Amino acid sequence: DAGVTQSPTHLIKTRGQQVTLRCSPKSGHDTVSWYQQALGQGPQFIFQYYEEEERQRGNFPDRFSGHQFPNYSSELNVNALLLGDSALYLCASSLEGAGLHVLTFGAGSRLTVL
Amino acid sequence: AQTVTQSQPEMSVQEAETVTLSCTYDTSESDYYLFWYKQPPSRQMILVIRQEAYKQQNATENRFSVNFQKAAKSFSLKISDSQLGDAAMYFCAYTGANSKLTFGKGITLSVRP
Repeated sequence: DAGVTQSPTHLIKTRGQQVTLRCSPKSGHDTVSWYQQALGQGPQFIFQYYEEEERQRGNFPDRFSGHQFPNYSSELNVNALLLGDSALYLCASSLEGAGLHVLTFGAGSRLTVL
Repeated sequence: AQTVTQSQPEMSVQEAETVTLSCTYDTSESDYYLFWYKQPPSRQMILVIRQEAYKQQNATENRFSVNFQKAAKSFSLKISDSQLGDAAMYFCAYTGANSKLTFGKGITLSVRP
């Protein structure tokens, strides 16, 4: 049973560029959440997608946007990259309903902004 | 807003000994969940144990158990018979009605052979 798959695992960008990160949820899950984890810190909630809609959002600027596809996979897009966007980006999936609070995390995408 | 506080940045334990990791939280919600996650160098966040706030009984998972003190808003993790593979970052986390996780800053646990 495949877990949460994220790509790419590592990437380097320069300030001002745009980046797209991808996530395939665990089989059977329909809800995807994204978290940003700065070095040495706990993850911070970016947003959550369910039924292809952004259901809730954390305290992140509009430069951070996302999408969920009919197959439940998801993308995180960050525009106009800043040095402070350097972080590990974690995707987590869950099942709406009784399983909503049981998250399965991917191994993350490490973004470095130079 | 909910907050989760882990005040100890690092801890060390001798292999086969017991260690307790501390966590406090603040919330005005009455129904919520608390979690401990483990993050090894591989970066993948692994669920260690979960506690529903409405349950008075402390959760246990093999060598891992919690001490949940709802009135004090305290949620500590006890690891018994520590193993080298337990070395990792440990995060305490909270979720309420909105299902988003709020994490603490984490604690680095090292295990001495």
